Amino acid sequence: LAKTTQPISMDSYEGQEVNITCSHNNIATNDYITWYQQFPSQGPRFIIQGYKTKVTNEVASLFIPADRKSSTLSLPRVSLSDTAVYYCLVGALYTGGFKTIFGAGTRLFVKA
Amino acid sequence: EAQVTQNPRYLITVTGKKLTVTCSQNMNHEYMSWYRQDPGLGLRQIYYSMNVEVTDKGDVPEGYKVSRKEKRNFPLILESPSPNQTSLYFCASSFGGSDQPQHFGDGTRLSIL
Repeated sequence: LAKTTQPISMDSYEGQEVNITCSHNNIATNDYITWYQQFPSQGPRFIIQGYKTKVTNEVASLFIPADRKSSTLSLPRVSLSDTAVYYCLVGALYTGGFKTIFGAGTRLFVKA
Repeated sequence: EAQVTQNPRYLITVTGKKLTVTCSQNMNHEYMSWYRQDPGLGLRQIYYSMNVEVTDKGDVPEGYKVSRKEKRNFPLILESPSPNQTSLYFCASSFGGSDQPQHFGDGTRLSIL
């Protein structure tokens, strides 16, 4: 199973774009890349998911290069409420299994 | 409202006293998982289930049991809890495999003394 590596923490200011990169060198062919957001004392919340190239939704973009060994979550114009821990997850449905591995997460702190 | 419900939300207990944390989802999801979260270690999968009566080990299954007798319920059982199982536990469910997002409960904070 592919393990992930993310920066432990990042700081930003309100209104800036934030890019968080996740490394997953051993990603398998059928693995999807999913990002979650977690606030203190709450369960993680789905942000975005992709397999290759670029995916965009109303809250974020996800960039995945052709080799898929990394991915970058892009949060446009962050606000104070975006202060949270962001997890990159690589997982797949294997024959007979569904193991998932979360990284240690990136703690984003947005300052005024 | 679509949700994953865990009970209890908080529990303080003693070593060796069997306990069960319940998890129920109302979205008719096939897949369910249990995770534990510890400072600096992120979320680690304990067990998962792909359907009724189909369960398998995640990364840290030692000391835990699960069952999936009904699609909506996936209880986590600690037969003989120990202090190293003090943690924040999350249950999650999803409609499909890795191409579907997981929906998480609000967590259960267990303290084993």
